[in-house]
Amino acid sequence: RKEVEQDPGPFNVPEGATVAFNCTYSNSASQSFFWYRQDCRKEPKLLMSVYSSGNEDGRFTAQLNRASQYISLLIRDSKLSDSATYLCVVTVNSGNTPLVFGKGTRLSVIA
Amino acid sequence: EAGVAQSPRYKIIEKRQSVAFWCNPISGHATLYWYQQILGQGPKLLIQFQNNGVVDDSQLPKDRFSAERLKGVDSTLKIQPAKLEDSAVYLCASSTQGLELFFGEGSRLTVL
Repeated sequence: RKEVEQDPGPFNVPEGATVAFNCTYSNSASQSFFWYRQDCRKEPKLLMSVYSSGNEDGRFTAQLNRASQYISLLIRDSKLSDSATYLCVVTVNSGNTPLVFGKGTRLSVIA
Repeated sequence: EAGVAQSPRYKIIEKRQSVAFWCNPISGHATLYWYQQILGQGPKLLIQFQNNGVVDDSQLPKDRFSAERLKGVDSTLKIQPAKLEDSAVYLCASSTQGLELFFGEGSRLTVL
């Protein structure tokens, strides 16, 4: 089983739709979780951290389910500008342990 | 604030040739990472430095890849000799105490 698994997509959704991605991780000792966004031919950038209590930033909501070892990202009211690849990132601990990236889920928001 | 600088942006070489990439992290960032991103995949960590010491290089193919960060600031990644499967984008990232990684624009390598 891979360390971090994501559905590669693509998810093709109309503007205004709500879309959700899941990401599963294999290491039960994982402590920190993130979603990064990567635009085509650009570098990844942090979208949001994922806390145990979940967190929300505008149209974006991230949640963690430790029992089932997955994190999710929900995007409400999709915009054309949300089209990108969303990378799930997991690490065992802060600082000295590597961040492991998933392969990413590609989202295309269509007018 | 200046971001992570990488060069060259693009490089085309033939197999068995060598290539070197350079990275200058954000000023004050103690941790520096080199990631390899093959088309359609997520970034894969090659090596992580804390100041000038190596924290993790378990996925670095040491028979052909080498990296150094001699003065704890900028870093170079070298591939010698290159293989076709090394074609990828090589991303450098840096971070401070927190976990947010700041990536450079990457160096795109094509091996023919």
